[in-house]
Amino acid sequence: DAGVTQSPTHLIKTRGQHVTLRCSPISGHKSVSWYQQVLGQGPQFIFQYYEKEERGRGNFPDRFSARQFPNYSSELNVNALLLGDSALYLCASRFAGGEGQYFGPGTRLTVT
Amino acid sequence: QQQVKQSPQSLIVQKGGISIINCAYENTAFDYFPWYQQFPGKGPALLIAIRPDVSEKKEGRFTISFNKSAKQFSLHIMDSQPGDSATYFCAASYNNNDMRFGAGTRLTVKP
Repeated sequence: DAGVTQSPTHLIKTRGQHVTLRCSPISGHKSVSWYQQVLGQGPQFIFQYYEKEERGRGNFPDRFSARQFPNYSSELNVNALLLGDSALYLCASRFAGGEGQYFGPGTRLTVT
Repeated sequence: QQQVKQSPQSLIVQKGGISIINCAYENTAFDYFPWYQQFPGKGPALLIAIRPDVSEKKEGRFTISFNKSAKQFSLHIMDSQPGDSATYFCAASYNNNDMRFGAGTRLTVKP
């Protein structure tokens, strides 16, 4: 079975640009969450989506937005990129009512 | 935003030894406590998890000990192996949603 997949693997952007990151959950998983992991730190929760609705939002500015599609895949959008947005962006999925969140390999975003 | 404190930051253990990582949480509403293992360049992988109605859970060489009154939990890795060398994160959440992670412990197991 395929795990959580994310694209692209790596991305280099310039300050002020915007970026779209994509995630496909494990088959059958309807909940998708996004996390930001700065080098040397633990992941920080950004958003959770379930059945295409936002169910939770972490302490991130409005420049960050996300959505979930009918096939349960998800996009994370970040506008007006700042140098501090450089991080590994992780997507995690879980089965409704199930135990554990399962992470993808992440997208490494570098903002120059 | 940090609601989970993890220690130590780094840990060096000899092959065959016991690795112990500790975490403390603040929010008594948390009801799900997983541990994740992360290798460089990879996403975190779920290792083992516990709910607060039990005090200990064991899976192979990995054991979680949970102290609800102290709001603390720990990961014990028995017979540590060089292949266990990775960064370990504790986490806590309510109903397995918006998980709050500790800062991580970098474990090195020396052969």
